[in-house]
Amino acid sequence: AQSVTQPDIHITVSEGASLELRCNYSYGATPYLFWYVQSPGQGLQLLLKYFSGDTLVQGIKGFEAEFKRSQSSFNLRKPSVHWSDAAEYFCAVGAVRTGRRALTFGSGTRLQVQP
Amino acid sequence: DGGITQSPKYLFRKEGQNVTLSCEQNLNHDAMYWYRQDPGQGLRLIYYSQIVNDFQKGDIAEGYSVSREKKESFPLTVTSAQKNPTAFYLCATAGGVGNTEAFFGQGTRLTVV
Repeated sequence: AQSVTQPDIHITVSEGASLELRCNYSYGATPYLFWYVQSPGQGLQLLLKYFSGDTLVQGIKGFEAEFKRSQSSFNLRKPSVHWSDAAEYFCAVGAVRTGRRALTFGSGTRLQVQP
Repeated sequence: DGGITQSPKYLFRKEGQNVTLSCEQNLNHDAMYWYRQDPGQGLRLIYYSQIVNDFQKGDIAEGYSVSREKKESFPLTVTSAQKNPTAFYLCATAGGVGNTEAFFGQGTRLTVV
């Protein structure tokens, strides 16, 4: 069964600083990988996704993520954080080969942005 | 407007009552899902449906029930057997490559009073 680990429960960065959120996955084949963002009391919005091909993927709001098969990682990055980026971020892995095809989510990383 | 509509946004339940959360979609997606979200635990899968008139238990199905009589609708009933129902409930559909990309509604916050 697939699993996702987000080692950082809470991260605080200063506005304008760079950001990296970590995500490690466990899956027996090439996974489908996703990053979602959630504002308080809201649903989840897709930031970016990786299916195949170029291992560096670009998303919305200036985010990018890099798939590293050797490290089983899919870390999310942003060069300069804005106050509006404060939210909770979830990494997810999709299991294409199982009948369930439901995403498995990490426990999330809450991002706080200091002025 | 295409999307997923969950209602109500807030729901209060008395001990021992069943309540039903609504989820409607007009994305024409076959697959629909219900997740439960608790602080610090991410999203956990309750039930999912790949096609009309078929659904499967997820990881935490006990105390919940669903139906899928129409493609557009996937209601979730929280029964009195669910011992700790206070949580944020998210409905999702799946599309995109391999039908794995999840699209989410805005959620329903259920509180037991």
